[in-house]
Amino acid sequence: NAGVTQTPKFRVLKTGQSMTLLCAQDMNHEYMYWYRQDPGMGLRLIHYSVGEGTTAKGEVPDGYNVSRLKKQNFLLGLESAAPSQTSVYFCASRTSGGFGGELFFGEGSRLTVL
Amino acid sequence: SQQGEEDPQALSIQEGENATMNCSYKTSINNLQWYRQNSGRGLVHLILIRSNEREKHSGRLRVTLDTSKKSSSLLITASRAADTASYFCATDANYGQNFVFGPGTRLSVLP
Repeated sequence: NAGVTQTPKFRVLKTGQSMTLLCAQDMNHEYMYWYRQDPGMGLRLIHYSVGEGTTAKGEVPDGYNVSRLKKQNFLLGLESAAPSQTSVYFCASRTSGGFGGELFFGEGSRLTVL
Repeated sequence: SQQGEEDPQALSIQEGENATMNCSYKTSINNLQWYRQNSGRGLVHLILIRSNEREKHSGRLRVTLDTSKKSSSLLITASRAADTASYFCATDANYGQNFVFGPGTRLSVLP
């Protein structure tokens, strides 16, 4: 059982470069999320999706774009990376229904922007 | 603004002792969850408590919820070195579509 898989695990970018983080889940979950984690800040929601073809903004969406073309994949894009986007990014997924439910997390993608 | 705030920010105890972490939140919730994160890893779900529950147990974990005080506590009994990790509370938001996490409590269990 792979669960939630994030690629790449590590990446170094120069300011202004673009990149895409891929999240894949094999649990047939409807909901998927992208969070960033910075020291002392906990996890902050960037974007999320409640189903294939849908996306919504979270708490800190600026500078990021997302797409959910397939139910199992949730892509996070940085069009023009900035040093402020240096962070650890986590993808998570869960089943739909009810108010909340257990989130399943990937192992994280550590991004450094120089 | 963050919904949940854990207290203390860091906690260091001896193996065998109990560890208590607290979480406060600001708005009404439907449920509250606790997660653990080992260093360099993703978060792992520990326990979920619903707003109509006051206490819940899972193994060595005991979670309480006081909706009148907008607070929750996580108790880990008979701690082990393997319990060393960061612990986060998360509350549901936006009609249950997403979750808000606190900054976490770093627990160190010394052998």
